[in-house]
Amino acid sequence: QKEVEQNSGPLSVPEGAIASLNCTYSDRGSQSFFWYRQYSGKSPELIMFIYSNGDKEDGRFTAQLNKASQYVSLLIRDSQPSDSATYLCAVDGDSNYQLIWGAGTKLIIKP
Amino acid sequence: DVKVTQSSRYLVKRTGEKVFLECVQDMDHENMFWYRQDPGLGLRLIYFSYDVKMKEKGDIPEGYSVSREKKERFSLILESASTNQTSMYLCASSLFGDRGSGNTIYFGEGSWLTVV
Repeated sequence: QKEVEQNSGPLSVPEGAIASLNCTYSDRGSQSFFWYRQYSGKSPELIMFIYSNGDKEDGRFTAQLNKASQYVSLLIRDSQPSDSATYLCAVDGDSNYQLIWGAGTKLIIKP
Repeated sequence: DVKVTQSSRYLVKRTGEKVFLECVQDMDHENMFWYRQDPGLGLRLIYFSYDVKMKEKGDIPEGYSVSREKKERFSLILESASTNQTSMYLCASSLFGDRGSGNTIYFGEGSWLTVV
């Protein structure tokens, strides 16, 4: 059974600080890694996709992938109260169609 | 922008009723999915479809069925609703591609179903 694990949180971070979210996965063959953000009562929305080892930056967001250690991280710089949400990590599954989802980490940015 | 539309946002149904949840996507995606999401349990896949009239069971198909008669439309059916099916239901779509090709899944806004 392939798994994706995340700390459920809540992770509390002061406004302006760096928020660091982590995700580990069990399948060494996984190739695509996604971070979704989900506000309370809303549906998930994609914020980052990473394919290769190393870092990928998009504005205040940086995704870090380490395939040898089987983890992927999301860093949020200059955290804002609007970043408060649940962050879902997803990894490609066995088939061409599916993603395997973590349960999500709840992030709270304190003003 | 990709648009996945779930026509019913909030529904209240009685135990034993047949419930239809409809979903339409406008990006010509091959893959469509139905998930349910419950507090503490994360996203759980109910069914998915990779082509018209094709469907495969996900992790929790019991008590549900699906229909995909047209590429853009994927329906979830609860044949006889029960209280333990009270949940948020999310429809999603993605392009077909090889594993690792980064096929982003796009979600609809969700349908909140309460069974009383």
